[in-house]
Amino acid sequence: GAGVSQSPSNKVTEKGKDVELRCDPISGHTALYWYRQSLGQGLEFLIYFQGNSAPDKSGLPSDRFSAERTGGSVSTLTIQRTQQEDSAVYLCASSLTTGSYNEQFFGPGTRLTVL
Amino acid sequence: AQSVSQHNHHVILSEAASLELGCNYSYGGTVNLFWYVQYPGQHLQLLLKYFSGDPLVKGIKGFEAEFIKSKFSFNLRKPSVQWSDTAEYFCAVNVLAGGTSYGKLTFGQGTILTVHP
Repeated sequence: GAGVSQSPSNKVTEKGKDVELRCDPISGHTALYWYRQSLGQGLEFLIYFQGNSAPDKSGLPSDRFSAERTGGSVSTLTIQRTQQEDSAVYLCASSLTTGSYNEQFFGPGTRLTVL
Repeated sequence: AQSVSQHNHHVILSEAASLELGCNYSYGGTVNLFWYVQYPGQHLQLLLKYFSGDPLVKGIKGFEAEFIKSKFSFNLRKPSVQWSDTAEYFCAVNVLAGGTSYGKLTFGQGTILTVHP
């Protein structure tokens, strides 16, 4: 596709359940990023991948959050035992490289609501 | 750790007014700088970027920004706003080290711009 796609677009879950959010980056982009956008916290970095490895996981807020990327393409962000404070829009972005001219392209996001 | 500060949370203008949104960052090294825009119901889109060279950069839809290294600033400007510019604007910084990006963007809190027709 032409842009970054994410699924589902909306997810409503009950507190304590696990959720998986998916991101399909732009074809050929080696770098993939996850961010979270929430009221009061703005846009926060979560994790980034270069290929299948994750050199920077510093933004993951707790050990309930994990992410993987397979085949250097699709990525899944998993939140275990969801809490109400996890409610936010989860954004994925990709870029051609993590070199000096790193321009990130964002997907539409997944809006997660934890009841 | 670096941080990005946007001075205005909400700016309200009439059409044809001039716009300047402030952005300051706190990192003394080499950075890439960005302005992203999020129109209502749409996803984040790149408005303009600064990597190196001319500190005055021009973006889409008549926007421009000036990088002033001594002030750690990257303010966004537009001479004459339109109703369609109503959106939320985010300044972002990407730290470079030895010419290689660390990858992550650090965003400002965002500025909501409302333009009245």
